[in-house]
Amino acid sequence: AQTVTQSQPEMSVQEAETVTLSCTYDTSESDYYLFWYKQPPSRQMILVIRQEAYKQQNATENRFSVNFQKAAKSFSLKISDSQLGDAAMYFCAYRRGETSGSRLTFGEGTQLTVNP
Amino acid sequence: DTEVTQTPKHLVMGMTNKKSLKCEQHMGHRAMYWYKQKAKKPPELMFVYSYEKLSINESVPSRFSPECPNSSLLNLHLHALQPEDSALYLCASSPKPGRLANYGYTFGSGTRLTVV
Repeated sequence: AQTVTQSQPEMSVQEAETVTLSCTYDTSESDYYLFWYKQPPSRQMILVIRQEAYKQQNATENRFSVNFQKAAKSFSLKISDSQLGDAAMYFCAYRRGETSGSRLTFGEGTQLTVNP
Repeated sequence: DTEVTQTPKHLVMGMTNKKSLKCEQHMGHRAMYWYKQKAKKPPELMFVYSYEKLSINESVPSRFSPECPNSSLLNLHLHALQPEDSALYLCASSPKPGRLANYGYTFGSGTRLTVV
């Protein structure tokens, strides 16, 4: 079974600084996708960034980027120029590829606080 | 339309009541999901519908009964719930396998359920 581990229950960062959230996963599959979701107090799950396992290039979305190390099964999220609106619970998630209805497996989450 | 709409947003019900949660999407997604989320925890998968057929039931108690009347609509029927069933119930959808499959899930904003 696939597992996702986030070893940092809580993190904090100063506004405008950079923070990195860690995520490791375990799978025997070769085709899969990795995601970072953000869940603010409103409880809406918002997709932040995604990475296809077959792509070596790290995904970036504006201030958000990932460091995808496939051999090490590591998928960390870097938030640059942190803003107060980035404060939320962040979940790392894994999904098998190319199967309709494949489950999304979440890590335990990292609560990010942004200090003004 | 790029949203998953869940109704109601809040629900308080007694242990003898029967109620239903509704989820709707018009993105042409062919897989739909119900997740249960407790505070400060990751979402837990309950049910998966793929092409309107139930494909995964994570050993959910029979007091929760899912229904998928068509490809755009997903219901969760509730009956004789317990106080420990109080949680945020999230609906999500994902595209069929193919070019858009790596876009992950789209989540609704959830129904906050309180059982009294």
